[in-house]
Amino acid sequence: QKEVEQDPGPLSVPEGAIVSLNCTYSNSAFQYFMWYRQYSRKGPELLMYTYSSGNKEDGRFTAQVDKSSKYISLFIRDSQPSDSATYLCAMKASGGSYIPTFGRGTSLIVHP
Amino acid sequence: GAVVSQHPSRVICKSGTSVKIECRSLDFQATTMFWYRQFPKQSLMLMATSNEGSKATYEQGVEKDKFLINHASLTLSTLTVTSAHPEDSSFYICSARDPASGSNEQFFGPGTRLTVL
Repeated sequence: QKEVEQDPGPLSVPEGAIVSLNCTYSNSAFQYFMWYRQYSRKGPELLMYTYSSGNKEDGRFTAQVDKSSKYISLFIRDSQPSDSATYLCAMKASGGSYIPTFGRGTSLIVHP
Repeated sequence: GAVVSQHPSRVICKSGTSVKIECRSLDFQATTMFWYRQFPKQSLMLMATSNEGSKATYEQGVEKDKFLINHASLTLSTLTVTSAHPEDSSFYICSARDPASGSNEQFFGPGTRLTVL
């Protein structure tokens, strides 16, 4: 079993839909949870960064962490075609290495 | 946020040749940079951690003689793929932390697509 599991998709939704992207993990030591957006042939860019459990909102994006279930989610409201990209979750334990463990990414397609 | 650049953005080379990829932190000094490889529809796989002024730390299974890393200055790390073969074709991405920011955030470069014929 991989440490971080993420469905690769693709996930295709119409413009304006609410998108839910998810990851599960097995390492209970993970404390920091991140979501990156990666456009085709580009490097990842950090979207959301949360510590421990709870919700965090930034504009149309909401990150949710449920440590009891080892499950994290990224919600995108009012999705736009420009949101079409691959979304990678990443997580790391506190202390030690700065290197997170990445999921394989979910490809999102928002069609007009 | 901090900016990391990579050069070249894409390169095509013949089998057996060597290719050098540069990673630069443009507006901050990075004592540590990281090199990743990403195959199509796969996750980022850490290859090595590049430390300024010292030897790189390679992940298990990554050949240090094949993937030469040099971090000669606080703003530049290079990855040289020696004697490249078609199976080395991949997307190579570097990242760096800004130690002065006090955060754990890594800033990624735009990536280099390597195609070995």
